Amino acid sequence: RKEVEQDPGPFNVPEGATVAFNCTYSNSASQSFFWYRQDCRKEPKLLMSVYSSGNEDGRFTAQLNRASQYISLLIRDSKLSDSATYLCVVNMKNTGNQFYFGTGTSLTVIP
Amino acid sequence: DGGITQSPKYLFRKEGQNVTLSCEQNLNHDAMYWYRQDPGQGLRLIYYSQIVNDFQKGDIAEGYSVSREKKESFPLTVTSAQKNPTAFYLCASTRAGTYGYTFGSGTRLTVV
Repeated sequence: RKEVEQDPGPFNVPEGATVAFNCTYSNSASQSFFWYRQDCRKEPKLLMSVYSSGNEDGRFTAQLNRASQYISLLIRDSKLSDSATYLCVVNMKNTGNQFYFGTGTSLTVIP
Repeated sequence: DGGITQSPKYLFRKEGQNVTLSCEQNLNHDAMYWYRQDPGQGLRLIYYSQIVNDFQKGDIAEGYSVSREKKESFPLTVTSAQKNPTAFYLCASTRAGTYGYTFGSGTRLTVV
């Protein structure tokens, strides 16, 4: 079983729509959680960290459910510029502080 | 401005050649990492280093080698033993603790 799993999509949504991605992780000892955004042929860039109490940054909301071992990312009022691949990343200190990446979820926002 | 610099951006290798990818950071980060990304796949860890003069194999270390002689530098050598080296290579660094990664802009390696 992979450490981190995501639905690869693609998700094709109209501008202005709300879209949500989920990501599950296998190791209950996981400690830190992040969402990264990767544009085509570019490096991943940190979108936001995910805190236990949930957190919001503008149109983006991230949530963590430790009991069910998943994190989510909600994007409201989608913009064309949100089109990208969204990577779920989990850090596990008991594995040498390694970060584990999901394969990414592809989002295309359509005019 | 602080950041991670990878070079070259594009690299072409003949079969049987060793090539070295450069990764330099001026963020004063302790840990550095090398990942490989293939089309439609997630990032896979090649090697990582938490401290100078020490490094650990990741999930796909075969055919690769690294060194960490300076805190700022973590070069990756793709040896002729790596049978399928064509990929996008990403270097990353992070401070000790549980902060997120900072990535370099990547090197695209193609075998010709």
